Amino acid sequence: KQEVTQIPAALSVPEGENLVLNCSFTDSAIYNLQWFRQDPGKGLTSLLLIQSSQREQTSGRLNASLDKSSGRSTLYIAASQPGDSATYLCAAQIGSARQLTFGSGTQLTVLP
Amino acid sequence: DTGVSQDPRHKITKRGQNVTFRCDPISEHNRLYWYRQTLGQGPEFLTYFQNEAQLEKSRLLSDRFSAERPKGSFSTLEIQRTEQGDSAMYLCASSYDWNDEKLFFGSGTQLSVL
Repeated sequence: KQEVTQIPAALSVPEGENLVLNCSFTDSAIYNLQWFRQDPGKGLTSLLLIQSSQREQTSGRLNASLDKSSGRSTLYIAASQPGDSATYLCAAQIGSARQLTFGSGTQLTVLP
Repeated sequence: DTGVSQDPRHKITKRGQNVTFRCDPISEHNRLYWYRQTLGQGPEFLTYFQNEAQLEKSRLLSDRFSAERPKGSFSTLEIQRTEQGDSAMYLCASSYDWNDEKLFFGSGTQLSVL
């Protein structure tokens, strides 16, 4: 059974700092690894999707990497802003149903 | 493209009552997923549809949970005889087809069982 773990559970940084969020998964048989953002009481917004054959994806200030052999992914956020404050979730897409197995998320607070 | 729509946004009910949630996926999206999210946790997969066919329902939490997608358009998730442990956010997501890896999520229905 696929298990996804995110560390740390919560993170608080001053504005402008670069930061890294970590995600690990137990089964390397994944289609892809996805990162989402969730604001309080809201649904999920897709940030980045890394195919199983890829090593990284970039979008603006965000960069996600994938190392299938070690079962790890990281989300790098450059020059953090207060508007980046949210919960960040990683998810491994698996199975014929292509369902997502999520981690518990990292709650990020960027202080002005 | 108006996004995935869920109704209601919030539902408060008494234990033992039945509740039904509705999800309208992005038009022309053939796949529809239901997830449940409890406080401080990531979403948990419940079930999914390919058009009107429900292809996986073994992950539904109990026989009190059921889902339908008549005519392959909107979907409903029903919980019968609600329990306090059913309190959670119920999320719907859709994708264009089985090979489309990007899912679009709705804003969810927050259920509170008193």
